[in-house]
Amino acid sequence: NAGVTQTPKFQVLKTGQSMTLQCAQDMNHEYMSWYRQDPGMGLRLIHYSVGAGITDQGEVPNGYNVSRSTTEDFPLRLLSAAPSQTSVYFCASSSDGGGDYGYTFGSGTRLTVV
Amino acid sequence: AQKITQTQPGMFVQEKEAVTLDCTYDTSDPSYGLFWYKQPSSGEMIFLIYQGSYDQQNATEGRYSLNFQKARKSANLVISASQLGDSAMYFCAMRGHQAGTALIFGKGTTLSVSS
Repeated sequence: NAGVTQTPKFQVLKTGQSMTLQCAQDMNHEYMSWYRQDPGMGLRLIHYSVGAGITDQGEVPNGYNVSRSTTEDFPLRLLSAAPSQTSVYFCASSSDGGGDYGYTFGSGTRLTVV
Repeated sequence: AQKITQTQPGMFVQEKEAVTLDCTYDTSDPSYGLFWYKQPSSGEMIFLIYQGSYDQQNATEGRYSLNFQKARKSANLVISASQLGDSAMYFCAMRGHQAGTALIFGKGTTLSVSS
């Protein structure tokens, strides 16, 4: 199993550009979520989904869009990149809201906005 | 609102000693889950241990145990017999109603293990 795959691993954007961070899982997990990690801030929830066609906002959703057209994929779109969106982004999935197996995380995307 | 608090920015321990990483939480949900993750310098997030709010016994996984004090709303991680490879950032997290099926994280504690 590949688990949770995030692409790209690194990206540099110019202010105002848009891009999509990809997240795919092959474990047939219903629940997926996106987080950003900034120094000293821990991981903060951006958006999450409980299944195909269903998404909701987390703690820091502004400037980001998501959609969930399939169980496997949960892309995160930056509409107009800003330097404040420089961060490491993690995608995670789980089958039952965590529990004994936890949430499986991707390896992260390091994004720099200049 | 749900909140996780980790008050120890950094902890230092010698090899083979036990260490406790503190975590307190705040929630009004009767049902919730508590998690600990390890993030080594390589950056990946590694799941360590889980405790459900209705679990009667403290969770254990190898050298990791979770000291769950429900009335005090604390979920401390205990690492027994520390190893050099335990040096990492440790995050406490909670799943509850506010975040749906996702996690709310604390700010983390950096653990340094010396020989």
